[in-house]
Order: sequence, then C-alpha cells, then structure tokens
Amino acid sequence: DAGVIQSPRHEVTEMGQEVTLRCKPISGHNSLFWYRQTMMRGLELLIYFNNNVPIDDSGMPEDRFSAKMPNASFSTLKIQPSEPRDSAVYFCASTSGGGYGYTFGSGTRLTVV
Amino acid sequence: RKEVEQDPGPFNVPEGATVAFNCTYSNSASQSFFWYRQDCRKEPKLLMSVYSSGNEDGRFTAQLNRASQYISLLIRDSKLSDSATYLCVVSSGTYKYIFGTGTRLKVLA
Repeated sequence: DAGVIQSPRHEVTEMGQEVTLRCKPISGHNSLFWYRQTMMRGLELLIYFNNNVPIDDSGMPEDRFSAKMPNASFSTLKIQPSEPRDSAVYFCASTSGGGYGYTFGSGTRLTVV
Repeated sequence: RKEVEQDPGPFNVPEGATVAFNCTYSNSASQSFFWYRQDCRKEPKLLMSVYSSGNEDGRFTAQLNRASQYISLLIRDSKLSDSATYLCVVSSGTYKYIFGTGTRLKVLA
C-alpha cells in the first residue's frame, strides 16, 4: 500500500504566484480531505470530498483557495494569488469510512515570501 | 468555546513514568473518537480509536466519558520514543473529524 501521496513536499513561492498542491489518495478510499496546519491554529479542515464530490468547503479561507477532485485517484488544492499568511503545512488525508480513521499524506510545506 | 480542547503541555516526564492526557469536546452528538500521534515535522498517524467501554493497546489505554464529554489517553512505562504531540479527534458520525491542537509529551532519559 503506497499510502496517501502528496506533491510537492516543499514549495517556496513569491507572493502573488499561483500554487498547486497535489494528492493521490489510497486506492479504494472514497473520502478525501485537505487540512492546513500552523503553530497558531493547529489542524484546520479546508474541504472534504466524498466520492469525488465536494461535501463541505466551509473551511476554505477565501476565494483565493479552490480544490478539485476530477477522479477517485487525484485531487488538487490551488491558491491564487498566494500570500505570506498562506504559509503552512498542507495535508491531504483519505479514508474508507468515518469510523476507521484517516490516513494522512506526508504533507506539503508551503512558504510564501 | 473550541469544539475540541486539549492542554497543550508540554508534559515532561521521566522514562518509565505513567502520564495521562485529557481532551474535552463540546458536541454531545459526537460518535467517533480517536487519538493520533504526530512527530515533529511529520504527518499525524492514528494511534488508537476510543471505544465506549474503554480500550487498551499495549502500554496505551483510552477511555471515553460521555457524561462529562471527555476522552483520555494513559501511557504506562513511558519510553523516549513516546515523545510526540498527541492529538485528540472527535467526529459527529460523518466523515468530518475535528482535531484538537494537541498535547506535547517529552519523555526524558
């Protein structure tokens, strides 16, 4: 089992640039989640998908953030334009059921300068 | 009030000690409970689920108190390798999990 795969592992970009984060969930998992983690706010749920459909995007901070899941094996989180306050670790997670716990990817550490 | 609250610590304990963390939650309709462990600069990993009757996994014991709306994690015979941040997780039965901000544990030699 390859686990949840995220790319890139690290991203440094300049303010105003577009950033795209990628995630491949575990095969057979039908729910996918994007989280953001900072020291100040901990883990915050941004959006989650069930069977490729966005179910709850209330955690997406603003219109600069968008997420897609075109198929069961791929999702993207895009920030356009990026700002320094978006600097954080972004995790993707997947699960096959609410009672089984999530499996997290290794995260993307984003730095916006 | 936060949905899930934890004491951030740090808890500094000597090797071999027993340490316990509590976590309180605000939604009385919560149905699923977990403890995750997160090492520095790594992703959170599932440590154990928490069942209504309480459950044990080796040196780790988890308990749920629905009346007072808290869950606990007890670690016996602490090892240096137990040093990490422990995240409390609560779900209302949907796929949406709410994470606490974590409790830092440092086990000292």
